[in-house]
Amino acid sequence: AQSVAQPEDQVNVAEGNPLTVKCTYSVSGNPYLFWYVQYPNRGLQFLLKYITGDNLVKGSYGFEAEFNKSQTSFHLKKPSALVSDSALYFCAVRPGDSGYSTLTFGKGTMLLVSP
Amino acid sequence: DGGITQSPKYLFRKEGQNVTLSCEQNLNHDAMYWYRQDPGQGLRLIYYSQIVNDFQKGDIAEGYSVSREKKESFPLTVTSAQKNPTAFYLCASSIQGGGYNEQFFGPGTRLTVL
Repeated sequence: AQSVAQPEDQVNVAEGNPLTVKCTYSVSGNPYLFWYVQYPNRGLQFLLKYITGDNLVKGSYGFEAEFNKSQTSFHLKKPSALVSDSALYFCAVRPGDSGYSTLTFGKGTMLLVSP
Repeated sequence: DGGITQSPKYLFRKEGQNVTLSCEQNLNHDAMYWYRQDPGQGLRLIYYSQIVNDFQKGDIAEGYSVSREKKESFPLTVTSAQKNPTAFYLCASSIQGGGYNEQFFGPGTRLTVL
């Protein structure tokens, strides 16, 4: 069975500083990996995904994520945080080699960016 | 929140009542999903449908039922058998089920049992 771990319930960063939100995964074979963001009382918005190829994936709003197969990680990064980036972030995974499988989400990491 | 609508935004239910949450999409997506979100637990899959007139149970289907009679619609009924229904419910869709297709989410329905 696949699983996702987001080891930090909350990440605090000052505006203008770089941010990292961590994600590790467990899956059979090659993974498809996703990051989503959720603002209060809203649905999730897709940020980016890794399918294959370049380990550095660029997404919406200046976010990027680095796929590391040996460490089974897919950390979300941004060079310079904005107060408006404050939200709940979810990492998700499914096996890339099987016919159909459901998407498994992590428990989420709250990002708080202070002015 | 793209082309997915959920209604109502807030729903209050008395114990013992069934309620139905609406989910409609105009994205022409084949696959649709229902998730439940509780604080600190992330998203848990209730039911999913890869195509019209077909659906499968997810991880926490007990006490819930769905139908998929039209491509655009995937209503979720929370029955009186669901012991702890108070939660935030999210509907999603994707072009096809599985693979590398991302899911698009609706704005959610917050259900409170009084």
